[in-house]
This record gives sequence, structure tokens and C-alpha cells, in this order.
Amino acid sequence: SQQGEEDPQALSIQEGENATMNCSYKTSINNLQWYRQNSGRGLVHLILIRSNEREKHSGRLRVTLDTSKKSSSLLITASRAADTASYFCARSLNNTDKLIFGTGTRLQVFP
Amino acid sequence: ETGVTQTPRHLVMGMTNKKSLKCEQHLGHNAMYWYKQSAKKPLELMFVYSLEERVENNSVPSRFSPECPNSSHLFLHLHTLQPEDSALYLCASSQGRLWYTGELFFGEGSRLTVL
Repeated sequence: SQQGEEDPQALSIQEGENATMNCSYKTSINNLQWYRQNSGRGLVHLILIRSNEREKHSGRLRVTLDTSKKSSSLLITASRAADTASYFCARSLNNTDKLIFGTGTRLQVFP
Repeated sequence: ETGVTQTPRHLVMGMTNKKSLKCEQHLGHNAMYWYKQSAKKPLELMFVYSLEERVENNSVPSRFSPECPNSSHLFLHLHTLQPEDSALYLCASSQGRLWYTGELFFGEGSRLTVL
């Protein structure tokens, strides 16, 4: 299967704590992306990391990519209640127009 | 105008009805996509259009019929749907071919319920 796994499926933390979500995949990728979705809404692109990159930062977000282990992680530091949402990783496959999404991690941040 | 606009936001239809979902992007992008999001399942890519040409058709049943009259508009025509087709249908666009540009811009989705 081209689809990977995200874990955990659900994560509950207190405001101020860090949240880490992981994504594993099986096939070679062109890049890996993380998206956020608030309940019942569209997805919003957060960050893209290319296959030759190991780490990227954007504000409170830090993404790592380990192509040898075929895995990525998204770290949200100093979480806020407004970070409550589902987070999806998506793999862009080489030379295709397909962006393959996982099932997501549902993050709940309690005030 | 927001980047990608989908109408209607909610749609209830019977199995014998014919309806259409509309997507419009105001970003000047060249590629548009339909995704289906069902509960507890990954987003499923349905169709991809690049410069108004269909480049991906991901084994979608013929009761779903896409149309891309120009690079700003995308339709999904629906007929004789099944209850299992109830889902959130998401439209997205990208500046160019995905493997080159990477990022998708999504609309808010059309929540479809088939009775």
C-alpha cells in the first residue's frame, strides 16, 4: 500500500506542552507535507520537506524526515488550545500528481 | 474572495437525483483536484486536472463525472449515488504539477449526504 501510518491516532495534552506526531510510509517520495484540518473544514498546508532535507522549521512547528527509516515527525512546541485539530502527513510520489494522505492524528489541546 | 471556494457547502440528495458540486479557485493555479474524505479513512484522490486536461482518474465509479471547463473552475457531477458515497468532498488546486510545486490549497469542502 502507498498509504502510511500516523501515530498516535489521537493525542490529548495541556496548553504549553509539546505535541509530537509521527508518520511512516513505504515507498520512495519526492517530498512529504503536513496539513492541518479543523473539524468539518478544508485542509491547510503547514510545511513541506523535500526528500533531500532532514529538518525544517516554521514558527512553532518543526518537521524532521528520515528517508532511511521512511518516517517523519511533526513537533508543535508550546501548544495552544487553538492548535486543536487533525494533522495529516501526505507523501508526494516521484513524478506523479498523487499526494497520498494518511488517516491523521487528532490533537486536543486543553486550556 | 478566498482562494478556493466550494458550493454548496451542504447537500442532501436521494439516490435517483442528479446534482453537481462546484469549485472555483482565485489563485491563478493550473491544476485542480477532487478528494473524498470519509469518516475514519484517509483522503482518497478522485480526479486531477492539469491545464484543463484530466491527468488522473483514480478508479472512481462512473456515477461521479468531473468537468473542468477552464483552469479556474471544476465540477463534480453526481448521479444515482449510493448511501456509502456520503462524505466530505474536497476540492484543491496547485500552482503546477504536484511533483514539481508540491503544495495543495483546499476549499472548505461540500458535505454530501445520500439518502
